[in-house]
Amino acid sequence: GAGVSQSPSNKVTEKGKDVELRCDPISGHTALYWYRQSLGQGLEFLIYFQGNSAPDKSGLPSDRFSAERTGGSVSTLTIQRTQQEDSAVYLCASSFPTGNMAPLHFGNGTRLTVT
Amino acid sequence: GDSVTQMEGPVTLSEEAFLTINCTYTATGYPSLFWYVQYPGEGLQLLLKATKADDKGSNKGFEATYRKETTSFHLEKGSVQVSDSAVYFCALSDKLNRGSTLGRLYFGRGTQLTVWP
Repeated sequence: GAGVSQSPSNKVTEKGKDVELRCDPISGHTALYWYRQSLGQGLEFLIYFQGNSAPDKSGLPSDRFSAERTGGSVSTLTIQRTQQEDSAVYLCASSFPTGNMAPLHFGNGTRLTVT
Repeated sequence: GDSVTQMEGPVTLSEEAFLTINCTYTATGYPSLFWYVQYPGEGLQLLLKATKADDKGSNKGFEATYRKETTSFHLEKGSVQVSDSAVYFCALSDKLNRGSTLGRLYFGRGTQLTVWP
């Protein structure tokens, strides 16, 4: 596709359930990022992939959060035993790894609501 | 640590009014600075950037100048349009920290701009 694709666009889940969020980056972009946007907050960095490896996982808020990337392309963010405070918009972005000035291309996000 | 502070919204203006959205930053190194914009129903997209002190980024009539002495990167537009209604995010990426994630951005909280005809 022409842009970063995320699915689902909306997800409502019950507290305690596991969820998987998917990101399909722009073809050729080897760098992939997950951010979280909570109501009234800025974007919170979660994790970064370069290819299939994740050199920076420092933003993951707890061990309930994990992410993987396969084939240097699609990434999945998994949240286990969801809590209400996990409700947010989860944004994925990709870029070429040309240093820290490479613009990030964002998807439209997945809006997660934990009831 | 690195951080960005931007003026809180919402900002409501009439068409053709002058816009300023303030942004200040804290960084340990020599950051690159960005403004991203999120139009209704769309993903964030880069609006403009500046990579060193005194650089001016510009795009679509918007401008921002990297001021190291005041650690600021205020966004300005001389005459806003209804189509500029969006959420604007100031962001930085720190160059000096060699351990930092390439392209990792530190974002402000965003400023909602609404322009009325």
